[in-house]
Amino acid sequence: AQSVTQLDSQVPVFEEAPVELRCNYSSSVSVYLFWYVQYPNQGLQLLLKYLSGSTLVKGINGFEAEFNKSQTSFHLRKPSVHISDTAEYFCAVSPPQAGTALIFGKGTTLSVSS
Amino acid sequence: EPEVTQTPSHQVTQMGQEVILRCVPISNHLYFYWYRQILGQKVEFLVSFYNNEISEKSEIFDDQFSVERPDGSNFTLKIRSTKLEDSAMYFCASSERAPEQYFGPGTRLTVT
Repeated sequence: AQSVTQLDSQVPVFEEAPVELRCNYSSSVSVYLFWYVQYPNQGLQLLLKYLSGSTLVKGINGFEAEFNKSQTSFHLRKPSVHISDTAEYFCAVSPPQAGTALIFGKGTTLSVSS
Repeated sequence: EPEVTQTPSHQVTQMGQEVILRCVPISNHLYFYWYRQILGQKVEFLVSFYNNEISEKSEIFDDQFSVERPDGSNFTLKIRSTKLEDSAMYFCASSERAPEQYFGPGTRLTVT
């Protein structure tokens, strides 16, 4: 079975500051890793994914994440955040097959202020 | 860009009533899913559906729940006799053969 831990429930930052949202996972098998973003009153939007290959993956809106197998982590980063990045961010894992469940972390609320 | 749509956006029902939540997945996708998010909690998997049958379900998906693909475009989740604890946001998702899933905007179900 897989599990996901998002270490920070809330991350407040100022506009144009860098940010890192932390995600650790547990699994006895190889996994696919995802970050989703949920803006207020909206659904979940895929930010980026790691399936295989390069451990540094780039996503939409200037976000990137690095897969670290030895530390079982998949932290999300952005070098300079905007007010519009204020949202809930979810890390998720799944076994390496299509059609299987995504297991989500509890989410991190990113609050960007000016 | 194609997207998953869900109706209604908000459903209020009384305890014990049946509800049907509707989803239109992305047209060329083969896998369909339902998730729920109780207020303030994590998104939880309910069920996945492929080739007209359930491929995986969670412990949450008990006999009160059922899913159906009644035609070539819709995918529904039925809750037979709603309970207060069924109040949540319900998300539909779909995927092609690739593992990434695309989510709809959700239906907020309020059971009174």
